[in-house]
Amino acid sequence: AQRVTQPEKLLSVFKGAPVELKCNYSYSGSPELFWYVQYSRQRLQLLLRHISRESIKGFTADLNKGETSFHLKKPFAQEEDSAMYYCALKGAQKLVFGQGTRLTINP
Amino acid sequence: DAGVTQSPTHLIKTRGQQVTLRCSPKSGHDTVSWYQQALGQGPQFIFQYYEEEERQRGNFPDRFSGHQFPNYSSELNVNALLLGDSALYLCASSLQGGYEKLFFGSGTQLSVL
Repeated sequence: AQRVTQPEKLLSVFKGAPVELKCNYSYSGSPELFWYVQYSRQRLQLLLRHISRESIKGFTADLNKGETSFHLKKPFAQEEDSAMYYCALKGAQKLVFGQGTRLTINP
Repeated sequence: DAGVTQSPTHLIKTRGQQVTLRCSPKSGHDTVSWYQQALGQGPQFIFQYYEEEERQRGNFPDRFSGHQFPNYSSELNVNALLLGDSALYLCASSLQGGYEKLFFGSGTQLSVL
């Protein structure tokens, strides 16, 4: 079975502080992991995917197969990073989302 | 490019009724996936349509059915509505049956009374 766990429903950090949003997954095969983001009054949109190994808006995420994790990180948070973040796993030909973490950046 | 469009934006139904939700994919996309998002939860996969066929299905009962038309637009039908079907229904489009980059619509908020 595929499962994505985001242990924190809410995360609040100060502007300029480092951010880490946690994502753990369960899947017996070779996973593809994604982070989706939803800013206020906007649609859900792709932020990044592990196979691209890219940094988007200063965010990076590394797939750790040993720990079955795909945590999203940013060294210096900005107020515009406040949003809802969803980790997603593609396996067995379907995309499964976690419950999401609401990130609030305090000024 | 209008992106993914969904209609209606809001809908109120009563238990036992049937509902049809509609989705037009982003220009150039040929695949449509449907998700149910309950309040405070992440999107849950209902099914995916590609080449006018249901390709994959999540853990939803047969009351949930769909269709894809030759122009790639799609419908989600829910029969015998239950209170628990109240949720935001999201449509996402992509290419060639893939999930590499989904483009989401704004959703249809369904309330079942």
